[in-house]
Amino acid sequence: DTAVSQTPKYLVTQMGNDKSIKCEQNLGHDTMYWYKQDSKKFLKIMFSYNNKELIINETVPNRFSPKSPDKAHLNLHINSLELGDSAVYFCASSQDLAGVRFFGPGTRLTVL
Amino acid sequence: GQSLEQPSEVTAVEGAIVQINCTYQTSGFYGLSWYQQHDGGAPTFLSYNGLDGLEETGRFSSFLSRSDSYGYLLLQELQMKDSASYFCAVRSGNTGGFKTIFGAGTRLFVKA
Repeated sequence: DTAVSQTPKYLVTQMGNDKSIKCEQNLGHDTMYWYKQDSKKFLKIMFSYNNKELIINETVPNRFSPKSPDKAHLNLHINSLELGDSAVYFCASSQDLAGVRFFGPGTRLTVL
Repeated sequence: GQSLEQPSEVTAVEGAIVQINCTYQTSGFYGLSWYQQHDGGAPTFLSYNGLDGLEETGRFSSFLSRSDSYGYLLLQELQMKDSASYFCAVRSGNTGGFKTIFGAGTRLFVKA
């Protein structure tokens, strides 16, 4: 069974479009995250949710809107996509103070 | 602010031992994690140090000195498959929430 899953795996779209990425974890974890990894492989935290509540928002443009319908799901909607949004987006989850344990496979977003 | 420093690249030969160092500056420090990421893949969790000392998991060991704000990942009996990027990450926060902040990564090349 996949612990953290994301869809889609690849997303190619035009500037100005709106797109969503979905994430689900079957580990029963309370905390879920979105990370962005740029072309230089730098992993930057974007959001963190605990039990469906937003607890961390790392000064991400408000074009990015996360939504957590329940603690097993954390989706990411992006409005008015820009070239600089091209990156790999990873969903992740954790349960304890040890931090992020499980990452999803990633969604490679390419904005043309 | 928060910062982590680790070497950008390390090269070693198969069968050797390599140490990847990480120094950090952060407030509300809880622990130091290490992750491995192969090209095109997702980061995978390797180890976590919440207390000073050495943690060993098979060929990999991780060390933390909280007083020195320093840790390292030790890889023994290197194999070609160990060629990957390795990230140190600090777990920090307070009652308002915790986050895992990643270093820029160390690219390990294992040569035959």
